[in-house]
Amino acid sequence: AQSVTQPDIHITVSEGASLELRCNYSYGATPYLFWYVQSPGQGLQLLLKYFSGDTLVQGIKGFEAEFKRSQSSFNLRKPSVHWSDAAEYFCAVGTTGGGNKLTFGTGTQLKVEL
Amino acid sequence: EAQVTQNPRYLITVTGKKLTVTCSQNMNHEYMSWYRQDPGLGLRQIYYSMNVEVTDKGDVPEGYKVSRKEKRNFPLILESPSPNQTSLYFCASSLGDSPLHFGNGTRLTVT
Repeated sequence: AQSVTQPDIHITVSEGASLELRCNYSYGATPYLFWYVQSPGQGLQLLLKYFSGDTLVQGIKGFEAEFKRSQSSFNLRKPSVHWSDAAEYFCAVGTTGGGNKLTFGTGTQLKVEL
Repeated sequence: EAQVTQNPRYLITVTGKKLTVTCSQNMNHEYMSWYRQDPGLGLRQIYYSMNVEVTDKGDVPEGYKVSRKEKRNFPLILESPSPNQTSLYFCASSLGDSPLHFGNGTRLTVT
């Protein structure tokens, strides 16, 4: 069975600083990997996804993530954080690109200090 | 506008009183799913449906029922709610290999 670990429960960064959120997955085959963001009172919005090909994936809102098979990681990065990026971020792994058999991590809460 | 609509957004009820949370999508998606979100546990899948009249259990199905009589609707039914079902619930849908679209959530409190 697949699993996802997000080791950081809370992260605080200053506005304008760089950001990296960690995600480690466990899955026997090539995974489908996702990052979602949840703003307060909202549903989850897809930031980016990796299915195959280039291991550096660009997403919306200036986010990117890098798939590293040797480390079983799919870390999310942003070069300069904005106050509006404060939210909860979820990494997920799936056996397909769609919703079936999608496993979520426990989330990382991002706080941005002005 | 393409969307997944859940109702109600907030619900407070008492133990044992049957309730239904509705979910509707307007994207002709085949796949629909219910998740519950609890602090420190992330999102856990309750039930999912691959198409009309096809449903299956997720990771935490106990105490819940679903039905999929129409493609666009996937209601979540709690026949006898208990306090441990107090949670934030999300409905989501997708088509083929497209990623999940989520509703805005239903916050349920069972006293």
